[in-house]
Amino acid sequence: DIQMTQSPSTLSASVGDRVTITCRASESITKWLAWYQQKPGRAPKLLLYKASNLESGVPSRFSGSGSGTEFTLTISSLQPDDFAVYYCQQYDTYSRFGGGTTVEIK
Amino acid sequence: EVQLVQSGAEVKKPGDALRISCKGSGYSFITYWISWVRQMPGKGLEWMGRIDPSDSYTNNSPSFQGHVTMAVDKSTNTAYLQWSSLEASDTAVYYCARHGITAAATSYFDYWGQGTLVTVSS
Repeated sequence: DIQMTQSPSTLSASVGDRVTITCRASESITKWLAWYQQKPGRAPKLLLYKASNLESGVPSRFSGSGSGTEFTLTISSLQPDDFAVYYCQQYDTYSRFGGGTTVEIK
Repeated sequence: EVQLVQSGAEVKKPGDALRISCKGSGYSFITYWISWVRQMPGKGLEWMGRIDPSDSYTNNSPSFQGHVTMAVDKSTNTAYLQWSSLEASDTAVYYCARHGITAAATSYFDYWGQGTLVTVSS
């Protein structure tokens, strides 16, 4: 059973900051990793898939990297609309989400 | 436009049975697997299991095995999540989500339903 660990669990940042979230898998998932954004009371929204592929319509300030067991989501310049909870998801074997990272206003 | 529209909120008692639904439109329903995801109050996302609408083949997460069942009705493009006996700990929002890769059991999720809140309380 592949475990996914996200860090940090909470991140305080200001508009314009560069933000990085890390996701670690308990074993290699090659590049089978996705990132989602969730706002209160809303369904999650797909941001990236296969570690670094940007979903259509998602702003280019979002980027992803990594392979194997370590992955990162980077927001190059945080915008007011980006304050939300972010989840990684492995889809190598079945599926599992990380615990989430809350990006809050500093 | 691809849409997944879920059934409305439910309030049930422990021991009750329940079936919630997820109706797909705007795409070939049988071509993409559907997964179900639980979100307990104030908590993260948990993958429950998946179903292939083309043949109703399912895989459950070990954490949910035996407690919920999944089904589809191809004639109405609708997926279902059902319980035979609810527990208070089933209180959560349940999302259906479409797999983004055609005919793939393992995939990211590109479209999500709006969620169904299930409240189980005596």
